[in-house]
Amino acid sequence: SAVISQKPSRDICQRGTSLTIQCQVDSQVTMMFWYRQQPGQSLTLIATANQGSEATYESGFVIDKFPISRPNLTFSTLTVSNMSPEDSSIYLCSVEARRNEQFFGPGTRLTVL
Amino acid sequence: EDQVTQSPEALRLQEGESSSLNCSYTVSGLRGLFWYRQDPGKGPEFLFTLYSAGEEKEKERLKATLTKKESFLHITAPKPEDSATYLCAVQPLFSGGYNKLIFGAGTRLAVHP
Repeated sequence: SAVISQKPSRDICQRGTSLTIQCQVDSQVTMMFWYRQQPGQSLTLIATANQGSEATYESGFVIDKFPISRPNLTFSTLTVSNMSPEDSSIYLCSVEARRNEQFFGPGTRLTVL
Repeated sequence: EDQVTQSPEALRLQEGESSSLNCSYTVSGLRGLFWYRQDPGKGPEFLFTLYSAGEEKEKERLKATLTKKESFLHITAPKPEDSATYLCAVQPLFSGGYNKLIFGAGTRLAVHP
């Protein structure tokens, strides 16, 4: 399985500001995914990041709010823009490895005041 | 609409008391069904992938099975260290060209000595 790291592991931010979350994987992967896990809830896919093309967003998520970069096969960033308290969540990146299996990073716990 | 329902929401077991967790799904073609374990404050840890009805996989005290409508995660003689939230996810066969996961809400398992 791939080893995935995320930075920062947690942050407390003021409303109206933006935070960029980094996801690094130890091997080259084609597909990377960004999920949100709101308090006490399960995971919801935000977008899929394929290297060399624009990210594909799920219904309810837009690029202006969650811009994503995928500059190479081992790295991606997710920005949470113009934050409000409703954006307080755990943000997780995952990568697709063998046979469509997805492995997750440790997550970034975001609190917006 | 693709959907995943897990039951029960929470389960309390005594150490050594075997039980099963249920994952019912509705999907327009199943590419795979995934089980993850999630400890508090951490990202989901991959456990199993099942691809076709009748398939079974085992790992230590855990055994996952799959039918055309549901999957079970059987826990045999659980120990306190098995306490976690267990997440089920399906990967639809037709999902716009990439392998998205749709998660259930999870089952919170607590195993007491």
